[in-house]
Amino acid sequence: DAGVIQSPRHEVTEMGQEVTLRCKPISGHNSLFWYRQTMMRGLELLIYFNNNVPIDDSGMPEDRFSAKMPNASFSTLKIQPSEPRDSAVYFCASSSQRDYSGANVLTFGAGSRLTVL
Amino acid sequence: AQTVTQSQPEMSVQEAETVTLSCTYDTSENNYYLFWYKQPPSRQMILVIRQEAYKQQNATENRFSVNFQKAAKSFSLKISDSQLGDTAMYFCAPPLTGNQFYFGTGTSLTVIP
Repeated sequence: DAGVIQSPRHEVTEMGQEVTLRCKPISGHNSLFWYRQTMMRGLELLIYFNNNVPIDDSGMPEDRFSAKMPNASFSTLKIQPSEPRDSAVYFCASSSQRDYSGANVLTFGAGSRLTVL
Repeated sequence: AQTVTQSQPEMSVQEAETVTLSCTYDTSENNYYLFWYKQPPSRQMILVIRQEAYKQQNATENRFSVNFQKAAKSFSLKISDSQLGDTAMYFCAPPLTGNQFYFGTGTSLTVIP
């Protein structure tokens, strides 16, 4: 298995532009998580999907952020319009959730480093 | 509010020595798992060890072990015989709400040769 695949690895864009980050979870995993990592705030959980359905998006910072999971093998995180304060590393992670006890391990992608100028 | 606290932003240890990283948390759950993840300079998040809250025996994985105190909601990571490759950020991640993994702010560990 190739693991969790994220693209792009690096993105540099200008303020106001739309940014789309992509994630392919591990085949067979039915839970997917988007995290944002910054020096100031550490790792923040943005949104969590279970069986392609968003379960909790309370971590999404504002309406400029949206996430979708149209099928079990693909998810996107979109920022529109982007701002300099969105600069961060965005991680996607997946797990094979059998129950809600947290018994399953998160497998992370390599992250997408976003820089908004 | 449920919280995860890693009170040591930075630590250092001499190679071959032992170091302990602390983590405390708050949860209303009774049965849950706890995790430590490592993030080396490559930025990849790697699972180090996990503990099942209903097990009294502390988990051990080679040079890594935990001291889990359920009543105190404490979950520390001990690294024995530290190696240069252990230099990384270490994140504590107890599942505070269902399956939603919230991470601590991390401890930056430097192993000194």
